[in-house]
Amino acid sequence: GAVVSQHPSRVICKSGTSVKIECRSLDFQATTMFWYRQFPKQSLMLMATSNEGSKATYEQGVEKDKFLINHASLTLSTLTVTSAHPEDSSFYICSAGGSGAKNIQYFGAGTRLSVL
Amino acid sequence: AQSVSQHNHHVILSEAASLELGCNYSYGGTVNLFWYVQYPGQHLQLLLKYFSGDPLVKGIKGFEAEFIKSKFSFNLRKPSVQWSDTAEYFCAVNIAPSGSARQLTFGSGTQLTVLP
Repeated sequence: GAVVSQHPSRVICKSGTSVKIECRSLDFQATTMFWYRQFPKQSLMLMATSNEGSKATYEQGVEKDKFLINHASLTLSTLTVTSAHPEDSSFYICSAGGSGAKNIQYFGAGTRLSVL
Repeated sequence: AQSVSQHNHHVILSEAASLELGCNYSYGGTVNLFWYVQYPGQHLQLLLKYFSGDPLVKGIKGFEAEFIKSKFSFNLRKPSVQWSDTAEYFCAVNIAPSGSARQLTFGSGTQLTVLP
């Protein structure tokens, strides 16, 4: 199946710093990428939908200025957690779907963010 | 908005036992349905999907699921589980029609533990 690479897999940072997470589709062009957040023992909660070349669409309650999303190419989307605080500590997962993927999303391995 | 319910939060079975995980969704229109599996430390993988046609779909690793429209259900089954099936299982839905990668709504997940 299609491969989505997410980097880094784990990051520990100090409060107030910014962290960038990359999501790459390795063998297909992803017109749409999704960013999820997963709390312990809970399901994936969609944060935003990222479309190549346009602004991301954020879900209700997700701060646009806090979680900056850029989808500059068909194979790369980035999520930047700005001025991170301990409450931002979580597991962030991206997924990608191509125009011919017929609603199938392929998931990255996730990034564990720990803010001290 | 659509929602997905997984009633079993944690299921513990012995090897060779049969498995059925419940999934119900709430949406009156046409939906696409998915089961994803997340093995410990790994990314989400697609087990099987339903778009249209035969309501009994077969996926990888011996899993199958049956779409019952009248019950808004898409239960996952496996006749005989193995220790290696220990994982978290997520049911997901998005709204048809197909042809574009649309956002998924996930259930809360079911942790399956198979005892050797």
